[in-house]
Amino acid sequence: SQQGEEDPQALSIQEGENATMNCSYKTSINNLQWYRQNSGRGLVHLILIRSNEREKHSGRLRVTLDTSKKSSSLLITASRAADTASYFCATDAGNKLTFGGGTRVLVKP
Amino acid sequence: DAGVIQSPRHEVTEMGQEVTLRCKPISGHDYLFWYRQTMMRGLELLIYFNNNVPIDDSGMPEDRFSAKMPNASFSTLKIQPSEPRDSAVYFCASSFATGVAFFGQGTRLTVV
Repeated sequence: SQQGEEDPQALSIQEGENATMNCSYKTSINNLQWYRQNSGRGLVHLILIRSNEREKHSGRLRVTLDTSKKSSSLLITASRAADTASYFCATDAGNKLTFGGGTRVLVKP
Repeated sequence: DAGVIQSPRHEVTEMGQEVTLRCKPISGHDYLFWYRQTMMRGLELLIYFNNNVPIDDSGMPEDRFSAKMPNASFSTLKIQPSEPRDSAVYFCASSFATGVAFFGQGTRLTVV
């Protein structure tokens, strides 16, 4: 079963725009992670936010976590065509990583 | 380090045949995960190991699926007999206890 659910399922934006996707989960977590998957490839870790953190930045990525609402968001600023990929949230509840269904992001040049 | 290595990258087999997928985790990682990805069901955790011991196999769909980790550098996922509905991309991932998982490139399995 999937712990996290991403919203929207798909997103199409122009290069230079920001992309925001959300993740909701159901149970208590140790941390929440975001991964990226290019077509036909494995998942690549982007960023991890611990349950006691509210916001984290890494380059053009900004992640927020609201444990009271059991939700997280990933913001990609100034998107590039190379950001086209699927993005997944994953919840860690005791070293067991459970993934959501993902958001497909298309960045048009 | 070369990362998580999976083999084969592609496998086409006939229904009823045995299929063995292989994974070499990153050296030093103490967790190993097997996932299955399909369009319909997304990314499903099948089983994971800690220090070569299976911890949670509740995601293994049926008795036709089995996984082993005989040592810290090798794991297999076996399907016997295979069925068309097993067609999917199977990923292996490894991690330290911190939880950041490193994925292999996956094995695309097609059962005809």
